[in-house]
Amino acid sequence: GESVGLHLPTLSVQEGDNSIINCAYSNSASDYFIWYKQESGKGPQFIIDIRSNMDKRQGQRVTVLLNKTVKHLSLQIAATQPGDSAVYFCAEGQYGNKLVFGAGTILRVKS
Amino acid sequence: DTAVSQTPKYLVTQMGNDKSIKCEQNLGHDTMYWYKQDSKKFLKIMFSYNNKELIINETVPNRFSPKSPDKAHLNLHINSLELGDSAVYFCASSQPNRAVYGYTFGSGTRLTVV
Repeated sequence: GESVGLHLPTLSVQEGDNSIINCAYSNSASDYFIWYKQESGKGPQFIIDIRSNMDKRQGQRVTVLLNKTVKHLSLQIAATQPGDSAVYFCAEGQYGNKLVFGAGTILRVKS
Repeated sequence: DTAVSQTPKYLVTQMGNDKSIKCEQNLGHDTMYWYKQDSKKFLKIMFSYNNKELIINETVPNRFSPKSPDKAHLNLHINSLELGDSAVYFCASSQPNRAVYGYTFGSGTRLTVV
């Protein structure tokens, strides 16, 4: 099987609870931020994005918060389900430039 | 229809061999990328092509040579494979004139060099 990446931070939550995954970014000039979900054996999948001039954005069951003062990004998942188990990545980018990924966080949902 | 497709999904080969990974996207995007994901899941960009032209070339050994015959295809050729090349390679595409450059990724090619 695939190596899970034992050095990644892991968040374990009970099914139905809310999850909060955190990310510290480095470039204060980034124009936008994206959260990706990567399930085992698959490529990263877009979840939600936020522009640098916003501090909160909501999607279906997910909310992203951006704190530019401390260069911190978080992804909140409401009513976490087993299907949410995956590795989550934050990424930062500037228009016309490459997307830079942070280290991932493993989310494990216990039934 | 798969938006970004890569072949092969798995590739096991001996050191010193030359291999290629192919990528095709049917999204009509202008820009395509190759990313390498190591055993710690860290994703690092290798190359980016915009409409068949190389625009990003990170510090990658020149044993790696991307080729883009048209804007829907970006292939990766690797010469003289080394053990350290073992990783999962992801192709992605995006449309840069969108307000936010969300990338669409392929499902990856797991390369194992033995």
